[in-house]
Amino acid sequence: AQKVTQAQTEISVVEKEDVTLDCVYETRDTTYYLFWYKQPPSGELVFLIRRNSFDEQNEISGRYSWNFQKSTSSFNFTITASQVVDSAVYFCALSEARGISNFGNEKLTFGTGTRLTIIP
Amino acid sequence: DARVTQTPRHKVTEMGQEVTMRCQPILGHNTVFWYRQTMMQGLELLAYFRNRAPLDDSGMPKDRFSAEMPDATLATLKIQPSEPRDSAVYFCASGSYTEDSPLHFGNGTRLTVT
Repeated sequence: AQKVTQAQTEISVVEKEDVTLDCVYETRDTTYYLFWYKQPPSGELVFLIRRNSFDEQNEISGRYSWNFQKSTSSFNFTITASQVVDSAVYFCALSEARGISNFGNEKLTFGTGTRLTIIP
Repeated sequence: DARVTQTPRHKVTEMGQEVTMRCQPILGHNTVFWYRQTMMQGLELLAYFRNRAPLDDSGMPKDRFSAEMPDATLATLKIQPSEPRDSAVYFCASGSYTEDSPLHFGNGTRLTVT
């Protein structure tokens, strides 16, 4: 069975500080996908990133960066120079690959989310 | 931008009434998911379809919930009869099994059963 653990239930930081959200996963699959989604106060789920298990390169997108380490089964998310607009609940998720070509569009197992509050 | 469209956005109903939620997946996406979000259970999968065929509905209470895809542009989730414990936000998501397009979620239907 797949499992995603986000141990940090809530985090508060002052604006412009860096913050890292932790995600640890468990799976018996050799191929899988990892995701991060953002849920702002308005409630929608916004896709942030998808990573497959063969690609351990870290990724940076503006102020966002992700650190994928298979050795520790972690996929952590860092926001640099946080802004108030980053306040949201962030979900890490895992899906099996069933062959790497399905682009991760299998059922997702979500973590419980981390509520991030950026204090102005 | 292509979007997954869910209707209604909000629904308040009395216990025992039938509730129907609708989802229009992104054009060309062949995989559709229904998720439910509650404070206690978080985000949980109810059912999903590929090419309109149900693949997994093990997360759905079978006695009162049903999910269908009458055509490629419409997915429905019905609850009959509804109960207060069904109060939640129901999300639809769509994705492609053949194109490099990540899973996208609709804005959700917030259901309140009184």
